[in-house]
Amino acid sequence: QKEVEQDPGPLSVPEGAIVSLNCTYSNSAFQYFMWYRQYSRKGPELLMYTYSSGNKEDGRFTAQVDKSSKYISLFIRDSQPSDSATYLCAMKTSYDKVIFGPGTSLSVIP
Amino acid sequence: EAGVAQSPRYKIIEKRQSVAFWCNPISGHATLYWYQQILGQGPKLLIQFQNNGVVDDSQLPKDRFSAERLKGVDSTLKIQPAKLEDSAVYLCASSLDGGVHTEAFFGQGTRLTVV
Repeated sequence: QKEVEQDPGPLSVPEGAIVSLNCTYSNSAFQYFMWYRQYSRKGPELLMYTYSSGNKEDGRFTAQVDKSSKYISLFIRDSQPSDSATYLCAMKTSYDKVIFGPGTSLSVIP
Repeated sequence: EAGVAQSPRYKIIEKRQSVAFWCNPISGHATLYWYQQILGQGPKLLIQFQNNGVVDDSQLPKDRFSAERLKGVDSTLKIQPAKLEDSAVYLCASSLDGGVHTEAFFGQGTRLTVV
């Protein structure tokens, strides 16, 4: 079993839809959770960062962490064509390196 | 503020040849990372520097990969000899101090194709 798993997609949605992206993990020592967005032929950029269970909102983005189920989600409201990218979940313990999921490719169709 | 600079953007080499990548981090950032991202996978950390010292190189294939950051600023990653499975994007990232709450900023990467 891989440490971090993520549905690879591709996911295609119409503009304005609500998007749900999900990751599961196996290491209960993970304490810090991140979502990165990676446009084609670009490096990843940090979207959301959280270290507690529950929801964290930033504009159209909401990150949700459920440590008891080892499950994290990213919700995108009112999705835009500019949201088309690969979304990577990432997580780490307090003492070890960041582990990335394989990414979910998202296309938002105008 | 200038971002993380990497060169070259693209490189095609034959197997068993050598190749080097260069990274210039954001000014003032003490921590520098090299990641390998194979197509369809997330980035995997190869090596982490804190100033000019190595913090983590546990996933660096040391028989063929080497990296240095001699003056604690820019860094080079070398592969010698290259194998077909080294085809990937090599990403450099930097952060202020490598702390758990400190954001890492990524460069655009070098896309390596080994034929």
